[in-house]
Amino acid sequence: TQLLEQSPQFLSIQEGENLTVYCNSSSVFSSLQWYRQEPGEGPVLLVTVVTGGEVKKLKRLTFQFGDARKDSSLHITAAQPGDTGLYLCAGGKGAQKLVFGQGTRLTINP
Amino acid sequence: ETGVTQTPRHLVMGMTNKKSLKCEQHLGHNAMYWYKQSAKKPLELMFVYNFKEQTENNSVPSRFSPECPNSSHLFLHLHTLQPEDSALYLCASSQDPAGYSYGYTFGSGTRLTVV
Repeated sequence: TQLLEQSPQFLSIQEGENLTVYCNSSSVFSSLQWYRQEPGEGPVLLVTVVTGGEVKKLKRLTFQFGDARKDSSLHITAAQPGDTGLYLCAGGKGAQKLVFGQGTRLTINP
Repeated sequence: ETGVTQTPRHLVMGMTNKKSLKCEQHLGHNAMYWYKQSAKKPLELMFVYNFKEQTENNSVPSRFSPECPNSSHLFLHLHTLQPEDSALYLCASSQDPAGYSYGYTFGSGTRLTVV
């Protein structure tokens, strides 16, 4: 079983602050994806990273794939209330189905 | 209509009832999935269909019965459920069965409460 551990599980910060959440595994993944899920909705894909060391930016969000392709981080700069949600990482390996982490529940307070 | 559509959005059913959840996608994807999302637990994969054929049943109890009549539609038939089956049931689709190249497109889910 390929487990993805996300940390922290819960994070509550003030608007304007920066934050980083992590996704770690002992397994190597071919790719890693980040999703955001808002209350009452399904997860929405934010990004896919496939190359070790890869960095992708999506406005104020920066995603990094670890050099060994076992971990990833999501950094948010100047967080806004609209960033509130459950952030899920998911790893893919060959023909196997995506494995999801348990998520980080982020709350940005105005 | 684009994306993945799930109906109903909310469902309350008794343990002796029979109900069905519906999912449809108009994205041209060939793979469709059912996931269960419970509080404080990772998304649990239930079933995978690829080109209408079931390719994975993740040890799901027989009280959950999937049906995929074509690549655009997926159903989850429910009967004699237990209260612990209460959860958000998510349908997803993807271009490739593994989903790791293009990711999954999820529906908004059906919030199921078993009483």
